[in-house]
Amino acid sequence: GENVEQHPSTLSVQEGDSAVIKCTYSDSASNYFPWYKQELGKGPQLIIDIRSNVGEKKDQRIAVTLNKTAKHFSLHITETQPEDSAVYFCAASKGGSYIPTFGRGTSLIVHP
Amino acid sequence: DTEVTQTPKHLVMGMTNKKSLKCEQHMGHRAMYWYKQKAKKPPELMFVYSYEKLSINESVPSRFSPECPNSSLLNLHLHALQPEDSALYLCASSQEGLYGYTFGSGTRLTVV
Repeated sequence: GENVEQHPSTLSVQEGDSAVIKCTYSDSASNYFPWYKQELGKGPQLIIDIRSNVGEKKDQRIAVTLNKTAKHFSLHITETQPEDSAVYFCAASKGGSYIPTFGRGTSLIVHP
Repeated sequence: DTEVTQTPKHLVMGMTNKKSLKCEQHMGHRAMYWYKQKAKKPPELMFVYSYEKLSINESVPSRFSPECPNSSLLNLHLHALQPEDSALYLCASSQEGLYGYTFGSGTRLTVV
């Protein structure tokens, strides 16, 4: 089955810095890679996703890159703000009825 | 309506009690899921319903019993739980194809 590794487990940055979270996957058939943000006391929220036919996708301060050859994808957050503090999960899926495999999560702390 | 609504938000139950968790969505999603999440861990799949039929049961103990009364509702019936079942229970829904999940805010369950 699919295996998703996520690093780092904890990331501490100063407000305004950039943050990068990296994930690798094992199944070359995976073709859909969502990222979720989970704030304390809430459910995970889909913040950005990328499909395997695209190498990069941006949405304001958030971007995701995908390297299919190396089987890794990354979340980039620029100009971090305290409200970006949360746990971030990456996932990999083959879409359709296939269930995504989640990474173990990254706790991002943005210091004011 | 772009939300998944879960009730109750918090639940404390004894090991001999019977209770139910409820989940509702009106986005027309035909796949609905129950996940269990322990602190500082990724969500762990329990059940998948596709077009109101149970399609995946991840070897969950029989003290957890899912039900899908219609395409908008999902229930999780609980009976004779153990303290180790204490966790955040998340409901999610999704479209078919390469799309992410919409998660509810979860039910924080404590078994005493």
